[in-house]
Amino acid sequence: QVQLVQSGAEVKKPGASVKVSCKVSGYTLTEVSMHWVRQAPGKGLEWIGGFDPQDGEAIYAQKFQGRVTMTEDTSTDTAYMALSTLRSEDTAVYFCATLFCAGDCYPGYWGQGTLVTVSS
Amino acid sequence: EIVLTQSPATLSLSPGERATLSCRASQSISSYLAWYQQKPGQAPRLLIYDVSYRATGIPARFSGSGSGTDFTLTISSLEPEDLAVYYCQHRTNWPPSITFGQGTRLEIK
Repeated sequence: QVQLVQSGAEVKKPGASVKVSCKVSGYTLTEVSMHWVRQAPGKGLEWIGGFDPQDGEAIYAQKFQGRVTMTEDTSTDTAYMALSTLRSEDTAVYFCATLFCAGDCYPGYWGQGTLVTVSS
Repeated sequence: EIVLTQSPATLSLSPGERATLSCRASQSISSYLAWYQQKPGQAPRLLIYDVSYRATGIPARFSGSGSGTDFTLTISSLEPEDLAVYYCQHRTNWPPSITFGQGTRLEIK
């Protein structure tokens, strides 16, 4: 069973950057495909990006391209999601999730979420 | 880009009743659809994958059906702990993306 533990809440000013971490246990980072999803207060789920399960390449939602960077440290089994040029609309809970694959692949295992607040 | 539209937005039922939640895709997505349950203050939990397969530990009262563009999540006999928002989800290979429906809020009377 994959377990994901995320870093703590962050408060950032508009224009700043944030980096959220997600530590994997139960499996190694090389055995999973990590994705990131966010949820603004009272809103639905929005996919940010992740690693393609076929070729391992990073793929980003068009909305976030140029502002988001996803990296992995396989020595510590920790994944990172960095978002730059923050604005108030980026205030949200950010989740990491690994894919569960059967006929297709789905975000099957989720971290607990990290609240990022963007406020002046 | 595939859009998933869920209905109704809110469903209010009593314990023991049957809940039927709908998810409609803007184009055919074959049999690749998942359902998630998100309780207040928690991360989403995978309930159903590949339209009709229950994830590990999911009670048998949850079932999924459908194909093409129309999909349904059924909860056969509601329990008070089923209070949650339910999302459908699909993954597209090209362009690569993951899409969620806007959610159905299930209230237990």
